[in-house]
Amino acid sequence: LAKTTQPISMDSYEGQEVNITCSHNNIATNDYITWYQQFPSQGPRFIIQGYKTKVTNEVASLFIPADRKSSTLSLPRVSLSDTAVYYCLVTRSNDYKLSFGAGTTVTVRA
Amino acid sequence: GAGVSQSPSNKVTEKGKDVELRCDPISGHTALYWYRQSLGQGLEFLIYFQGNSAPDKSGLPSDRFSAERTGGSVSTLTIQRTQQEDSAVYLCASSSTMDGGNYNEQFFGPGTRLTVL
Repeated sequence: LAKTTQPISMDSYEGQEVNITCSHNNIATNDYITWYQQFPSQGPRFIIQGYKTKVTNEVASLFIPADRKSSTLSLPRVSLSDTAVYYCLVTRSNDYKLSFGAGTTVTVRA
Repeated sequence: GAGVSQSPSNKVTEKGKDVELRCDPISGHTALYWYRQSLGQGLEFLIYFQGNSAPDKSGLPSDRFSAERTGGSVSTLTIQRTQQEDSAVYLCASSSTMDGGNYNEQFFGPGTRLTVL
C-alpha cells in the first residue's frame, strides 16, 4: 500500500482552523484516504474517509486534489479537546490490517 | 455500554508470568481485531477474528501469544511467559463487517497498558 508522509507535529490556538496535509504519491486507483484520531490514553477513532474531491462531516473536512497524491484534513475552529494525534492512512476496501505511522500530534493552546 | 471495552486497563506483571487481556466488542460486530501500540512503533496488527474463527493470525509475534473468541463476542488475548519487550498498549477493535458503511472503520477500545518488569 502507498506510503504516507505527514508532519510530526502542529501547534494551534483555540478557534483557529488546522490543516494537516498528508502525501501519498504512490496511491493506487483502488485506494481510499482515511483519517483516524487518537486522544491520550484512548484507542484510535475513525474521523473521515474520502476517495476524491471533498468530503465533510460533523468533525472535519477532507480535501483531495484531482491527482490524489496528497490530501488535507481540515479541522475547523479547534478547541483544547482537539489536541490529539491524527493518522493518515491509505487503505483498500477489503483491508482490515490497519497500519499507523507516527501521525501528526496536534496541540491546541488557549 | 455502546463501545468496545477492555480489561484490565493496566496490568503490571513480572517477567515469565502469563497474562490474559479481555475484549468486549460492540454487540453485533462480527469482526474483532487485536493490535498493539508501542511508543515509537506505531500500530501493529496481531490477529483478526471473523465470528469465532481467526483466519489471520499472521501478526502474532511468537507462539507465546494466543487468542480466542467465544460466542462470537468476547475475546481473550493470552501472553505466556511474558518478556519485557511485550510491554505495550494492547488495543482491541471491532467492526460490523470487513467493509461496512465506511471502509476500514474499526471501533477501538481504550486499550490495556501492559508493563512487564
